[in-house]
Amino acid sequence: GQNIDQPTEMTATEGAIVQINCTYQTSGFNGLFWYQQHAGEAPTFLSYNVLDGLEEKGRFSSFLSRSKGYSYLLLKELQMKDSASYLCAVVDSNYQLIWGAGTKLIIKP
Amino acid sequence: GAVVSQHPSWVICKSGTSVKIECRSLDFQATTMFWYRQFPKQSLMLMATSNEGSKATYEQGVEKDKFLINHASLTLSTLTVTSAHPEDSSFYICSAKDRGDTEAFFGQGTRLTVV
Repeated sequence: GQNIDQPTEMTATEGAIVQINCTYQTSGFNGLFWYQQHAGEAPTFLSYNVLDGLEEKGRFSSFLSRSKGYSYLLLKELQMKDSASYLCAVVDSNYQLIWGAGTKLIIKP
Repeated sequence: GAVVSQHPSWVICKSGTSVKIECRSLDFQATTMFWYRQFPKQSLMLMATSNEGSKATYEQGVEKDKFLINHASLTLSTLTVTSAHPEDSSFYICSAKDRGDTEAFFGQGTRLTVV
């Protein structure tokens, strides 16, 4: 079967750095997305990785290792508004999105 | 980025009535639309995938006679929840993509409350 694993919840301090991990086992791989979702709102796009390595975009970076079936989202200089759920999603061989359950990130002052 | 408009943002309806949710792509051709539902504190659950001009493909466990999906044009898909019941209360989200694109763009979501 297809499976995406990410931690259910994480807590971090304002101004710090946090890394949210995602491991996957899917039938084929055509890229991995990270989305941010605030409560009661639709997800918003953060990043897309299809090649191995680190992609940096401002305070957010995303890393992919296809051989290990592993990705992480790195958030730097955390702000209170970063409190949200972070969803990992993999595009499988049929170009369907397989979603993780999301990681709820709690930022404390 | 591309814009997907979903309407209404929230709706309250009486049990037994039907509710229609619209999803429009404003600046691209949405050859494929995805409909999701999300219960509180849970991840997105794909309900169905529709390609323009074709019948929707429903995920296992989703009743196609209850959740009617129409995707008759390249810019509009609708989800109709028929004979709604309180257990249908949820957050419904659409996303749309053009042929050949990997990324799908999300609508704002519709919070449905059935009383």
